[in-house]
Amino acid sequence: SSELTQDPAVSVALGQTVRITCQGDSLRLYYASWYQQKPGQAPVLVIYGKINRPSGIPDRFSGSGSGNTASLTITGAQAEDEADYYCNSRDSSGDRYVFGTGTKVTVL
Amino acid sequence: QVTLKESGPALVKPTQTLTLTCTFSGFSLSTTGMRVSWIRQPPGKALEWLARIDWDDDKFYSTSLKTRLTISKDTSKNQVVLTLTNMAPLDTATYYCARVPYTKDAFDIWGQGTMVTVSS
Repeated sequence: SSELTQDPAVSVALGQTVRITCQGDSLRLYYASWYQQKPGQAPVLVIYGKINRPSGIPDRFSGSGSGNTASLTITGAQAEDEADYYCNSRDSSGDRYVFGTGTKVTVL
Repeated sequence: QVTLKESGPALVKPTQTLTLTCTFSGFSLSTTGMRVSWIRQPPGKALEWLARIDWDDDKFYSTSLKTRLTISKDTSKNQVVLTLTNMAPLDTATYYCARVPYTKDAFDIWGQGTMVTVSS
C-alpha cells in the first residue's frame, strides 16, 4: 500500500505536548518528512529524514518513528502551532511520493 | 535566498490543457542532486504529489495521473513547466511547486501556490 494515514484532528493545551502519528507500509523503507500548513498559506517543512529539523524551525518540533509509523511531537505547544500537519514519504515503489491524510492541530 | 513562484491561468474549461510555470531563484536545476516537484491541494483536502524533474532530466509522475501529466525544465530560464491534459472539475486545486534537494529528499522550499478552477 502507498497510503499514509493520520488522525484527522488532535487538540493540545497551551504549553503541553502533542504527538501526531503517520502510518503506512512505505515508512518501513523510507524516511518521513513533516509539513505545517496554516490557513491560506503554503506548507512549511518542519522535519525531514525522520528526525532532522531545518534551520529556523523551533526545537519544540521533533520527529521519530519505528516500523510503519512516523511521529511528529510538539513539546510545549504554542498558539502559533495551530495548523494542519502532513506527513510525506516515498511510496512503496520508491520512485514517487505520497502525502498523509493530514492532522488538524488545535491549541486550546 | 531561495524562492519559487507558480504562474498560470486561474480558470480553465473542462477538457482543456492546463500549463503551469514554476519560476525559481537562488538555486540551479543543473546542480547535481537538485530536483523540483509539483504538488496540488483541492479546496479543503490533502496534498497530492504530482510530478518531479531532476537535474539530469529524469522525470517521475503520479501513477494515477501519469497519462495526463508532462513535466519539463528550462535550466537557462530557471523554470519548470507542468502540463495537465483533459482538465475536469476534480482538478480544481491550488498547485504548488517545491524544491526537492537530494540531500533532504523532502520539499524544503515551496512556492506560494496558484489556484486553478475548472469550470465551463
